[in-house]
Amino acid sequence: QKEVEQNSGPLSVPEGAIASLNCTYSDRGSQSFFWYRQYSGKSPELIMFIYSNGDKEDGRFTAQLNKASQYVSLLIRDSQPSDSATYLCAPWAGYQKVTFGTGTKLQVIP
Amino acid sequence: GAVVSQHPSWVICKSGTSVKIECRSLDFQATTMFWYRQFPKQSLMLMATSNEGSKATYEQGVEKDKFLINHASLTLSTLTVTSAHPEDSSFYICSAPAATDNQPQHFGDGTRLSIL
Repeated sequence: QKEVEQNSGPLSVPEGAIASLNCTYSDRGSQSFFWYRQYSGKSPELIMFIYSNGDKEDGRFTAQLNKASQYVSLLIRDSQPSDSATYLCAPWAGYQKVTFGTGTKLQVIP
Repeated sequence: GAVVSQHPSWVICKSGTSVKIECRSLDFQATTMFWYRQFPKQSLMLMATSNEGSKATYEQGVEKDKFLINHASLTLSTLTVTSAHPEDSSFYICSAPAATDNQPQHFGDGTRLSIL
């Protein structure tokens, strides 16, 4: 079973600021990670994935993975009110079940 | 496009009714499906794991006789909420692991179940 921990928030940032979301994981063998965004009443949608140590950038999003410290983070630059949602991180687990944490609720204040 | 199709998206029914939710993998074979439940403002809670051709594995505290899971084919898993009551009202989501390594789960769009 793969488990992660996240601060449930809410994390409030002003519009245009950088939002930083963090996730720690327990299985040192986890190789890749996914960040999902979930709007209220909707299913999670994939926004970023990262396989290797270091940073991966995609538009306003940057994912960071540090396998030695067992954490993965997501930075959102130029935060917009439309980014307000709950963000979930999850390791790749193949056919094993993944226990999602609470996710981090992000509120971008206009 | 969606690779996991979940139906219906919204159900409203009377207490005591049984409700079936379908989850189909559209362009790949899903030998495993995960079923989650999410109450308002709470996290996704894994209910059970369905496996094609075998019995589902339920998480602790989930009543297997109330939440019947059938995974009869490589592309279809169903969750039936039997004799539903208002406390079963929730958002139910299925997901399927990707067929290839290091790929994310594919989530269905979810089913909003409201029991009157």
